[in-house]
Amino acid sequence: SQTIHQWPATLVQPVGSPLSLECTVEGTSNPNLYWYRQAAGRGLQLLFYSVGIGQISSEVPQNLSASRPQDRQFILSSKKLLLSDSGFYLCAWSLLAGNEQFFGPGTRLTVL
Amino acid sequence: GEDVEQSLFLSVREGDSSVINCTYTDSSSTYLYWYKQEPGAGLQLLTYIFSNMDMKQDQRLTVLLNKKDKHLSLRIADTQTGDSAIYFCAASNYGGSQGNLIFGKGTKLSVKP
Repeated sequence: SQTIHQWPATLVQPVGSPLSLECTVEGTSNPNLYWYRQAAGRGLQLLFYSVGIGQISSEVPQNLSASRPQDRQFILSSKKLLLSDSGFYLCAWSLLAGNEQFFGPGTRLTVL
Repeated sequence: GEDVEQSLFLSVREGDSSVINCTYTDSSSTYLYWYKQEPGAGLQLLTYIFSNMDMKQDQRLTVLLNKKDKHLSLRIADTQTGDSAIYFCAASNYGGSQGNLIFGKGTKLSVKP
């Protein structure tokens, strides 16, 4: 069966510090991968998605970036965090575009 | 592009039925999904319906789709306190650039004992 992992589960970082969040998927090959942010207003904001290694599509201009160094690994990064980067970051995968997405447990990021 | 709308809050008493409504704009959406999010957790896929279906039932969950009105609903029978969560509606969007699933903002269901 397929599983999706995210770490860390929680993170508290000062403004201006770097960020690296990791997401890995097991039990499937060549998944579509997604990063979402969920702020206090609860809605999901799609940040990045990837259809293959090295292929990243960005949905919202910001100081975050994403990379996919391996088929089942998706990394969200920032060189310098802003207060507004605080939120709940969710990684998800799907087999095909438009099909159901399966979500990881999330990372709670607090920028102070 | 596709837009998905939901009411933000719903409060019911334990044992009653809950009905969560959702509207979407793109009539070409092939799949429509319901997700549940418990506090501090990721989204869990509850059920989905294909656009050529009107209804799908899965134990306490019933999904109704009115394709003409682009209206989707999720009915939870015999609602329990463990059903308290945020419920997201999502529509597939194959031709769009937004990662191919468009989510509503979520409906927070509160179940009172």
